[in-house]
Amino acid sequence: QVQLQESGPGLVKPSETLSLTCTVSGDSVTSGSFYWSWIRQPPGKGLEYIGYLSYSGSTNYNPSLRSRVAMSIDASKNQFSLRLSSLTAADTAIYYCASLTQDLWFPDWGQGTLVTVSS
Amino acid sequence: QSVLTQPPSVSGTPGQTVTISCSGGFSNIGGNLVNWYQQFPGTAPKLLIYRYNQRPSGVPDRFSGSKSVTSASLAISGLQSEDEADYYCASWDDTLRGEVFGGGTKLTVL
Repeated sequence: QVQLQESGPGLVKPSETLSLTCTVSGDSVTSGSFYWSWIRQPPGKGLEYIGYLSYSGSTNYNPSLRSRVAMSIDASKNQFSLRLSSLTAADTAIYYCASLTQDLWFPDWGQGTLVTVSS
Repeated sequence: QSVLTQPPSVSGTPGQTVTISCSGGFSNIGGNLVNWYQQFPGTAPKLLIYRYNQRPSGVPDRFSGSKSVTSASLAISGLQSEDEADYYCASWDDTLRGEVFGGGTKLTVL
Protein backbone atom coordinates (compact mmCIF):
# COMPACT_ATOMS: atom_id res chain seq x y z
CA GLN A 1 0.00 0.00 0.00
CA VAL A 2 1.20 3.46 -0.88
CA GLN A 3 1.11 6.33 1.61
CA LEU A 4 0.65 9.89 0.41
CA GLN A 5 0.90 13.19 2.28
CA GLU A 6 -0.02 16.63 0.93
CA SER A 7 1.77 19.80 2.01
CA GLY A 8 1.43 23.46 1.13
CA PRO A 9 -0.09 26.76 2.21
CA GLY A 10 -3.53 26.79 3.76
CA LEU A 11 -4.30 30.34 2.62
CA VAL A 12 -3.61 31.89 -0.75
CA LYS A 13 -4.61 35.29 -2.14
CA PRO A 14 -6.85 35.70 -5.19
CA SER A 15 -4.98 35.88 -8.53
CA GLU A 16 -1.95 34.13 -6.99
CA THR A 17 -0.61 30.66 -7.78
CA LEU A 18 -1.12 27.65 -5.50
CA SER A 19 1.72 25.18 -5.11
CA LEU A 20 1.10 21.84 -3.39
CA THR A 21 3.41 18.89 -2.93
CA CYS A 22 2.59 15.24 -2.35
CA THR A 23 5.20 13.07 -0.66
CA VAL A 24 4.96 9.38 -1.52
CA SER A 25 6.15 6.45 0.58
CA GLY A 26 5.80 2.75 -0.07
CA ASP A 27 6.60 3.10 -3.77
CA SER A 28 8.81 5.15 -6.06
CA VAL A 29 7.16 7.85 -8.14
CA THR A 30 9.27 6.59 -11.04
CA SER A 31 8.40 2.89 -10.67
CA GLY A 32 5.70 3.05 -13.31
CA SER A 33 3.29 1.19 -11.04
CA PHE A 34 0.92 4.15 -10.85
CA TYR A 35 0.00 7.47 -12.29
CA TRP A 36 0.04 10.30 -9.74
CA SER A 37 -3.05 12.44 -9.44
CA TRP A 38 -4.79 15.38 -7.78
CA ILE A 39 -8.47 15.63 -6.85
CA ARG A 40 -10.23 18.43 -4.99
CA GLN A 41 -13.42 18.84 -3.00
CA PRO A 42 -14.98 22.23 -2.24
CA PRO A 43 -16.35 22.39 1.33
CA GLY A 44 -19.61 20.48 1.53
CA LYS A 45 -19.50 19.49 -2.15
CA GLY A 46 -18.45 16.59 -4.35
CA LEU A 47 -15.16 15.41 -5.81
CA GLU A 48 -13.53 17.05 -8.84
CA TYR A 49 -10.73 15.44 -10.83
CA ILE A 50 -7.84 17.85 -11.47
CA GLY A 51 -5.45 15.63 -13.41
CA TYR A 52 -2.65 13.09 -13.36
CA LEU A 53 0.91 12.67 -14.51
CA SER A 54 3.07 9.66 -15.23
CA TYR A 55 6.67 8.99 -14.23
CA SER A 56 7.66 9.74 -17.82
CA GLY A 57 6.16 13.21 -17.56
CA SER A 58 3.04 12.73 -19.65
CA THR A 59 0.03 14.53 -18.21
CA ASN A 60 -3.76 14.58 -18.35
CA TYR A 61 -5.62 17.61 -17.05
CA ASN A 62 -9.32 18.33 -16.48
CA PRO A 63 -10.35 20.42 -19.52
CA SER A 64 -12.02 22.98 -17.25
CA LEU A 65 -8.71 23.62 -15.45
CA ARG A 66 -6.20 22.86 -18.19
CA SER A 67 -5.19 26.47 -18.85
CA ARG A 68 -4.27 27.00 -15.18
CA VAL A 69 -2.79 23.64 -14.11
CA ALA A 70 0.71 22.20 -14.18
CA MET A 71 2.00 19.02 -12.53
CA SER A 72 5.53 17.77 -12.10
CA ILE A 73 7.58 15.04 -10.46
CA ASP A 74 10.67 15.39 -8.24
CA ALA A 75 12.17 11.91 -8.28
CA SER A 76 14.99 12.85 -5.91
CA LYS A 77 12.46 13.58 -3.16
CA ASN A 78 9.89 10.97 -4.24
CA GLN A 79 7.34 13.74 -4.59
CA PHE A 80 4.96 15.14 -7.17
CA SER A 81 3.49 18.62 -7.28
CA LEU A 82 0.52 20.67 -8.40
CA ARG A 83 0.54 24.30 -9.50
CA LEU A 84 -2.77 26.09 -10.04
CA SER A 85 -2.64 29.70 -11.21
CA SER A 86 -5.01 32.68 -11.28
CA LEU A 87 -6.83 31.57 -8.16
CA THR A 88 -10.34 32.68 -7.27
CA ALA A 89 -12.61 31.92 -4.33
CA ALA A 90 -14.05 29.06 -6.39
CA ASP A 91 -10.72 27.23 -5.99
CA THR A 92 -11.23 26.99 -2.23
CA ALA A 93 -11.28 23.27 -1.52
CA ILE A 94 -9.68 20.29 0.15
CA TYR A 95 -6.97 19.10 -2.22
CA TYR A 96 -6.15 15.39 -2.26
CA CYS A 97 -3.26 13.61 -3.92
CA ALA A 98 -3.85 10.00 -4.89
CA SER A 99 -2.28 7.10 -6.74
CA LEU A 100 -4.04 6.08 -9.95
CA THR A 101 -3.81 2.64 -11.50
CA GLN A 102 -3.32 1.97 -15.23
CA ASP A 103 -6.99 0.94 -15.31
CA LEU A 104 -7.91 4.28 -13.78
CA TRP A 105 -9.05 3.82 -10.21
CA PHE A 106 -7.62 5.57 -7.16
CA PRO A 107 -6.47 2.95 -4.63
CA ASP A 108 -4.63 5.22 -2.16
CA TRP A 109 -5.32 8.78 -1.07
CA GLY A 110 -3.59 11.39 1.04
CA GLN A 111 -5.46 12.84 4.00
CA GLY A 112 -6.14 16.07 2.11
CA THR A 113 -5.18 19.67 2.73
CA LEU A 114 -7.62 22.58 2.92
CA VAL A 115 -6.71 25.54 0.73
CA THR A 116 -8.63 28.77 1.21
CA VAL A 117 -8.44 31.51 -1.40
CA SER A 118 -9.05 34.83 0.30
CA SER A 119 -7.48 38.23 0.60
CA GLN B 1 -23.82 19.59 -12.60
CA SER B 2 -21.92 16.29 -12.51
CA VAL B 3 -21.42 14.17 -15.62
CA LEU B 4 -22.50 11.09 -13.63
CA THR B 5 -25.85 11.38 -11.88
CA GLN B 6 -26.45 9.97 -8.40
CA PRO B 7 -29.36 10.49 -6.01
CA PRO B 8 -28.39 13.06 -3.36
CA SER B 9 -29.49 10.80 -0.54
CA VAL B 10 -30.73 7.32 0.30
CA SER B 11 -31.70 5.79 3.62
CA GLY B 12 -32.39 2.42 5.14
CA THR B 13 -32.74 0.60 8.42
CA PRO B 14 -30.22 -1.83 9.88
CA GLY B 15 -30.25 -5.17 8.08
CA GLN B 16 -31.90 -3.81 4.94
CA THR B 17 -30.40 -3.69 1.46
CA VAL B 18 -30.00 -0.29 -0.16
CA THR B 19 -28.97 0.51 -3.72
CA ILE B 20 -27.26 3.64 -5.00
CA SER B 21 -27.56 4.34 -8.71
CA CYS B 22 -25.09 6.10 -11.01
CA SER B 23 -26.31 7.17 -14.42
CA GLY B 24 -23.96 8.18 -17.23
CA GLY B 25 -23.57 7.79 -20.96
CA PHE B 26 -21.73 5.88 -23.66
CA SER B 27 -18.66 8.09 -23.34
CA ASN B 28 -18.12 7.08 -19.73
CA ILE B 29 -19.92 4.18 -18.02
CA GLY B 30 -20.98 2.72 -21.36
CA GLY B 31 -17.39 2.18 -22.46
CA ASN B 32 -15.21 2.34 -19.36
CA LEU B 33 -14.80 0.85 -15.91
CA VAL B 34 -16.87 2.10 -12.97
CA ASN B 35 -15.42 2.47 -9.49
CA TRP B 36 -16.98 3.46 -6.18
CA TYR B 37 -15.56 5.41 -3.25
CA GLN B 38 -16.75 5.73 0.34
CA GLN B 39 -16.12 8.90 2.35
CA PHE B 40 -16.77 9.50 6.03
CA PRO B 41 -17.07 13.08 7.30
CA GLY B 42 -13.71 14.79 7.66
CA THR B 43 -11.75 11.97 6.02
CA ALA B 44 -10.37 11.20 2.58
CA PRO B 45 -12.35 9.03 0.18
CA LYS B 46 -11.55 5.33 0.21
CA LEU B 47 -11.74 2.91 -2.72
CA LEU B 48 -14.75 0.66 -2.14
CA ILE B 49 -15.38 -1.11 -5.45
CA TYR B 50 -13.21 -1.19 -8.58
CA ARG B 51 -13.71 -2.64 -12.05
CA TYR B 52 -17.51 -2.66 -11.56
CA ASN B 53 -17.66 -5.32 -8.83
CA GLN B 54 -14.24 -6.03 -7.34
CA ARG B 55 -13.57 -5.32 -3.67
CA PRO B 56 -10.18 -4.26 -2.31
CA SER B 57 -8.86 -6.31 0.56
CA GLY B 58 -10.74 -5.51 3.76
CA VAL B 59 -14.00 -4.38 2.15
CA PRO B 60 -16.88 -6.61 3.36
CA ASP B 61 -18.76 -8.66 0.79
CA ARG B 62 -21.91 -6.80 1.86
CA PHE B 63 -20.81 -4.24 -0.73
CA SER B 64 -21.32 -5.15 -4.37
CA GLY B 65 -21.32 -3.34 -7.68
CA SER B 66 -22.98 -3.89 -11.03
CA LYS B 67 -23.34 -2.22 -14.40
CA SER B 68 -26.00 -2.15 -17.10
CA VAL B 69 -25.23 -0.35 -20.38
CA THR B 70 -24.77 3.26 -19.25
CA SER B 71 -25.68 2.93 -15.57
CA ALA B 72 -24.06 1.38 -12.54
CA SER B 73 -25.27 0.49 -9.07
CA LEU B 74 -23.78 -0.03 -5.64
CA ALA B 75 -25.69 -2.37 -3.36
CA ILE B 76 -25.15 -2.57 0.38
CA SER B 77 -26.77 -5.55 2.06
CA GLY B 78 -27.15 -6.17 5.78
CA LEU B 79 -26.99 -2.43 6.35
CA GLN B 80 -25.06 -1.36 9.44
CA SER B 81 -24.86 1.98 11.23
CA GLU B 82 -21.16 2.24 10.36
CA ASP B 83 -22.09 2.29 6.65
CA GLU B 84 -23.41 5.83 7.08
CA ALA B 85 -21.21 7.85 4.72
CA ASP B 86 -21.07 9.56 1.33
CA TYR B 87 -20.65 7.35 -1.72
CA TYR B 88 -19.25 8.43 -5.09
CA CYS B 89 -19.19 6.65 -8.43
CA ALA B 90 -16.44 7.43 -10.95
CA SER B 91 -15.51 6.54 -14.50
CA TRP B 92 -13.24 7.71 -17.30
CA ASP B 93 -14.94 9.89 -19.91
CA ASP B 94 -13.68 9.52 -23.49
CA THR B 95 -15.19 12.82 -24.67
CA LEU B 96 -13.83 14.92 -21.81
CA ARG B 97 -10.65 12.81 -21.75
CA GLY B 98 -10.63 12.77 -17.97
CA GLU B 99 -11.99 11.06 -14.89
CA VAL B 100 -15.52 12.08 -13.88
CA PHE B 101 -17.26 11.63 -10.56
CA GLY B 102 -20.89 11.44 -9.60
CA GLY B 103 -22.22 14.16 -7.33
CA GLY B 104 -22.22 11.81 -4.36
CA THR B 105 -24.95 10.10 -2.36
CA LYS B 106 -25.36 10.50 1.37
CA LEU B 107 -26.42 7.24 3.01
CA THR B 108 -28.35 7.57 6.26
CA VAL B 109 -28.97 4.53 8.47
CA LEU B 110 -32.20 5.16 10.33
